[in-house]
Amino acid sequence: ETGVTQSPTHLIKTRGQQVTLRCSSQSGHNTVSWYQQALGQGPQFIFQYYREEENGRGNFPPRFSGLQFPNYSSELNVNALELDDSALYLCASSLSGRAVGTGELFFGEGSRLTVL
Amino acid sequence: QKEVEQNSGPLSVPEGAIASLNCTYSDRGSQSFFWYRQYSGKSPELIMSIYSNGDKEDGRFTAQLNKASQYVSLLIRDSQPSDSATYLCAAVHSGGYQKVTFGTGTKLQVIP
Repeated sequence: ETGVTQSPTHLIKTRGQQVTLRCSSQSGHNTVSWYQQALGQGPQFIFQYYREEENGRGNFPPRFSGLQFPNYSSELNVNALELDDSALYLCASSLSGRAVGTGELFFGEGSRLTVL
Repeated sequence: QKEVEQNSGPLSVPEGAIASLNCTYSDRGSQSFFWYRQYSGKSPELIMSIYSNGDKEDGRFTAQLNKASQYVSLLIRDSQPSDSATYLCAAVHSGGYQKVTFGTGTKLQVIP
């Protein structure tokens, strides 16, 4: 059984650029959630994908967008990067997107984004 | 008001002692609660889940839930230096999708 993998692990961008982060979910998991974790803070929910559709969204602007593919892998895209977007971006996979939540998330190691 | 609140710490306990970590939540619609452990520079990992009032024990860990008081806690018995990490409390609101709301975490330091 493979775990959640994310790429790239580290990247540096400049303000105004665009970035794409990728995530492969754990085998058998059909739901992917993305979180942003700033230094010293807890993870903040960005959005969730279930069966290739956005299933819920946190308080993030539209320049944060995503995709889920038929194999349940996912991408997070951020346009017009701002300095405050510097953070660890975590992908988490789980089972059952629409059922009452179990909240049992399996996280990847994250992508650390630095915006200069 | 944050939906899930924790004291950021650090909480320092001597090796072998009981560490007590606390969390309160504001959304009365929250039905499921979780504790995640996050080592420095690593991603969170699930260590305990609790769904009903009372205590749930798993090895050295005991989770406690009081929905009337909107309070969740985690006790770590016989604390070890390897338990030194940030502990994140999380809640899931029932109905709809699995939005997991995390607290800011409590940093635990176990002193040898």
